Amino acid sequence: QKEVEQNSGPLSVPEGAIASLNCTYSDRGSQSFFWYRQYSGKSPELIMFIYSNGDKEDGRFTAQLNKASQYVSLLIRDSQPSDSATYLCAVKGDYKLSFGAGTTVTVRA
Amino acid sequence: DAGVIQSPRHEVTEMGQEVTLRCKPISGHDYLFWYRQTMMRGLELLIYFNNNVPIDDSGMPEDRFSAKMPNASFSTLKIQPSEPRDSAVYFCASSLGSKRRGNTIYFGEGSWLTVV
Repeated sequence: QKEVEQNSGPLSVPEGAIASLNCTYSDRGSQSFFWYRQYSGKSPELIMFIYSNGDKEDGRFTAQLNKASQYVSLLIRDSQPSDSATYLCAVKGDYKLSFGAGTTVTVRA
Repeated sequence: DAGVIQSPRHEVTEMGQEVTLRCKPISGHDYLFWYRQTMMRGLELLIYFNNNVPIDDSGMPEDRFSAKMPNASFSTLKIQPSEPRDSAVYFCASSLGSKRRGNTIYFGEGSWLTVV
């Protein structure tokens, strides 16, 4: 079993809709969780992180964490064509980030 | 502030040649990471350093790969001899006080390696 698994996608959503991305992790000792966005040909850039159960909102992005279920999600509200990218879930133990394979999102204009 | 700086950005080399990738972390960051990204395997951690000391190199695929960090502002990843299956994007990343929950890592632009 991979440490971090994401829904494989690709995910296609119309402009203005909500994109929902899911991630599960295997290590119950994981302490914090990150969502990165990676545009084609570019490096990953941090969108947001979460370490407490519940929801965390930042603009159009909402991260949700459920440690009991070992589940993290990212919601993108009012999706824009500029949100078209690959979204990487990353899980942190003591020191390093382990990444999922990523979910590619395409926002249709 | 300058981000993580990597060089070269692109390299095409012949099988069997030595490849050296370079990285300058963000000033003041005490953790440095080398990742490799391929379509098949995604983003994999190769090795990381804390205060210039290698801490975990379990992700280094083979003895052909080696990494050094002679000082706080410079690190190299070397592949000798290179093989076509080493073709990938190699990212260097750095962070401050990595054990803190909210601390994240910041990536360089990557070095795109093609071995023919």
